[in-house]
Amino acid sequence: ETGVTQTPRHLVMGMTNKKSLKCEQHLGHNAMYWYKQSAKKPLELMFVYSLEERVENNSVPSRFSPECPNSSHLFLHLHTLQPEDSALYLCASTRDRGTDTQYFGPGTRLTVL
Amino acid sequence: GENVEQHPSTLSVQEGDSAVIKCTYSDSASNYFPWYKQELGKRPQLIIDIRSNVGEKKDQRIAVTLNKTAKHFSLHITETQPEDSAVYFCAATSWQGGSEKLVFGKGTKLTVNP
Repeated sequence: ETGVTQTPRHLVMGMTNKKSLKCEQHLGHNAMYWYKQSAKKPLELMFVYSLEERVENNSVPSRFSPECPNSSHLFLHLHTLQPEDSALYLCASTRDRGTDTQYFGPGTRLTVL
Repeated sequence: GENVEQHPSTLSVQEGDSAVIKCTYSDSASNYFPWYKQELGKRPQLIIDIRSNVGEKKDQRIAVTLNKTAKHFSLHITETQPEDSAVYFCAATSWQGGSEKLVFGKGTKLTVNP
C-alpha cells in the first residue's frame, strides 16, 4: 500500500538524541494525525492537523513537536525522549477532519535506550 | 470525555466458528463506530463501520450491531478463517473542546486455529 507512508520504519535512539519521524499521504486528504500505540494500551491520539493547522494537542509532552508544512506531509520531531516513549508511532489521514475513515501508515517502531 | 471499553482482550476460536467482540462507550453523543483490523506487523485498516442511525450493518462474513440505548456495539465474524487472526480495535467518536475525534478501545487479539 502506498496511500500513507512513514519513514523510518524502525528507529533506535538515545535519550539525548534528536530525531524526526516523517509521514506522507498521497490521497489528497486534508487532515493528518499522529497516534502512539503501546502494548496493551488503546491507540492514543497525539496531534491532529487540519489544512496544515494544528487543531488538537492531547496533552502531549513538549519533547514531541509536530510540524505540518503542507497537507501531504507531517513530521514528529523528537528530543530528549524517555524509555517509556518507546512505542509504535502511527500516522493517519482522513479526507476531512472528523469521522471519515482513517487511513493509517505502516508506523515507525521507536525504541528509546 | 469518551471512554471505550473492549472485551475480551484475547479470543481463540476454531476455524469455522463465530467470533464476537463487544465494546461499550460512555458518550451518548457518539454517532460513529468503526472497527479496525491490525494484522501482525501491519497497519490498522478499517473493516466495517456503523453510524448511529442504523442498528446493524453487514458485509459478507462481518457484521456490526449497535445498541444506542445501552451504549454498546459488537463485531460479529462468522465462519472464521485463519486469515481473520489479528488484533481488532473498536472506536467511537467523541466531542471534546469543540472538535470531534475517535477514541479507541484497547483491542482484542483474535486467534483462529485451523
